[in-house]
Amino acid sequence: DVKLVESGGGLVQRGGSLRLSCALSGLSVSDSHMNWVRQAPGKGLEWLSVYYIAGTINYADSVKGRFTISRDNSRNTLYLQMDSLSVEDTAVYYCARRYCNDGNCFTGFDLWGQGTLVTVSS
Amino acid sequence: IVLTQSPATLSLSPGERATLSCRASQSVGGHLAWYQQKPGQPPRLLIYDVSNRASGIPARFSGGGSDTDFTLTISSVEPEDFAVYYCQQRTDWSWTFGLGTQVDIK
Repeated sequence: DVKLVESGGGLVQRGGSLRLSCALSGLSVSDSHMNWVRQAPGKGLEWLSVYYIAGTINYADSVKGRFTISRDNSRNTLYLQMDSLSVEDTAVYYCARRYCNDGNCFTGFDLWGQGTLVTVSS
Repeated sequence: IVLTQSPATLSLSPGERATLSCRASQSVGGHLAWYQQKPGQPPRLLIYDVSNRASGIPARFSGGGSDTDFTLTISSVEPEDFAVYYCQQRTDWSWTFGLGTQVDIK
C-alpha cells in the first residue's frame, strides 16, 4: 500500500520551532519529487517547498529563510523544519508527491498525506 | 505567477454542467493541474498537464485551455462532486495554487 503519513504537528508559541515528518511507505523518498503544502483554517492551498530527486530544493517566498526541507533516505522520510513561527503559519501541513510515470513527470501531485495540524499561539 | 479562479462559488443542481475558470497572470504553457477537495480530506488530483485525467477520475471531468486561460468542466454534476476545486501551475522550480471555486448544491 502506497501512502504518506505526516506527524510532528501541535501547539507552539509565536517565535518557536517545530519539525514535521512525512513517512513514506510503498515508495522511496529518494525516487520521488516531494513537496510540502499547507492550508490555513478555511483557506486555500499554499505550496511551500520542494525536494527534487536530484537534490534541488526550492521554497515559496513566504517561508524562505525560516523553513528548511530535508530528507533521510535511510528512514524514507521527508522533513520540514519550521523556525520563527508566526500566527500566520497556523495551518494543516501536507506532504505530497509530484506525479511521475515511466520516467516522465507531470504537473500535478498525485499522492497526499492526511496532513498534520500546526497551531501557533500568540 | 498568480492564478485567478472564477467564480468563487458555483451553485448547481445535480445533472447540470459545471464550468470552472482559471486564469494565469502570465503564460504557464501546459503546466496546469486541477484538484478536488472535500472537507477534512486532502486534495485529490483530477487533471494533470491541462487535459489529462488522473487515474480513477470519471470521464465527466475534463480540462482544457492554453497559455493563460484554462477550464475544468464537469459534464453532468453528481452529488459527490460538490466540493472545492483548485487549479495549480508550475514554473521552473516553484508551484502556486488558485484560491479555489466552491461548487455547492443549489
